[in-house]
Amino acid sequence: QVQLVESGGGVVQPGRSLRLSCAASGFTFSTYYMYWVRQAPGKGLEWVAVIRYDGSDKYYAEALKGRFTIFRDNSKNTLYLQMNSLRAEDTAVYFCARRLDNGSGRYLDYWGQGTLVTASS
Amino acid sequence: DIPVTQSPSSLSASVGDRVTITCRTSQNIYGYLNWYQQKPGKAPKLLIYGASSLQSGVPSRFSGSGSGTDFTLTISSLQPEDFATYYCQQSYSTPIFTFGPGTKVVI
Repeated sequence: QVQLVESGGGVVQPGRSLRLSCAASGFTFSTYYMYWVRQAPGKGLEWVAVIRYDGSDKYYAEALKGRFTIFRDNSKNTLYLQMNSLRAEDTAVYFCARRLDNGSGRYLDYWGQGTLVTASS
Repeated sequence: DIPVTQSPSSLSASVGDRVTITCRTSQNIYGYLNWYQQKPGKAPKLLIYGASSLQSGVPSRFSGSGSGTDFTLTISSLQPEDFATYYCQQSYSTPIFTFGPGTKVVI
């Protein structure tokens, strides 16, 4: 069965870096676009970044450009999010999600359980 | 990015009620609209994709409709397990998917 398992969250001082991982299993990882979505405490869902199945194209939420980098290692079935210069407002649960495209639409059909990142001194 | 709005932001309902949540976009997104349910401490769960297609395993009391800029999620008879927050998401401006602000359904 499809599984996405995030890791790497934790408490980090503002200005420091953190790398999140998302281990995928149960499907052919290298053929899917993958997303990071975050949710600040008590807030809604916010799209963070997306990467093409082969890693050749990447897109970021405007406010995060230059600080966050999405990448993947298809040989390890793992998605990553490198977060630099973290700010208090980056505190959130970070989810990875798989995108599915079919004749009826484009959507995120499987999500990980999320990993909490807290940027605080 | 295509802004997405939802209404209401929250609603109070009882078991057995018919519930309707509306999602609106600022430009035509045809049928590229998805609905997710999220319970506290859990990941979002896909309910409806392509505006009206029911995701496998989702109860038939959930339905979606609409096209263009106006969309609706309907729960025909609210069950205790349906108390949650519901988000719509546009996927027209691929690969950038933007979410609505959410609608919290409370008892």
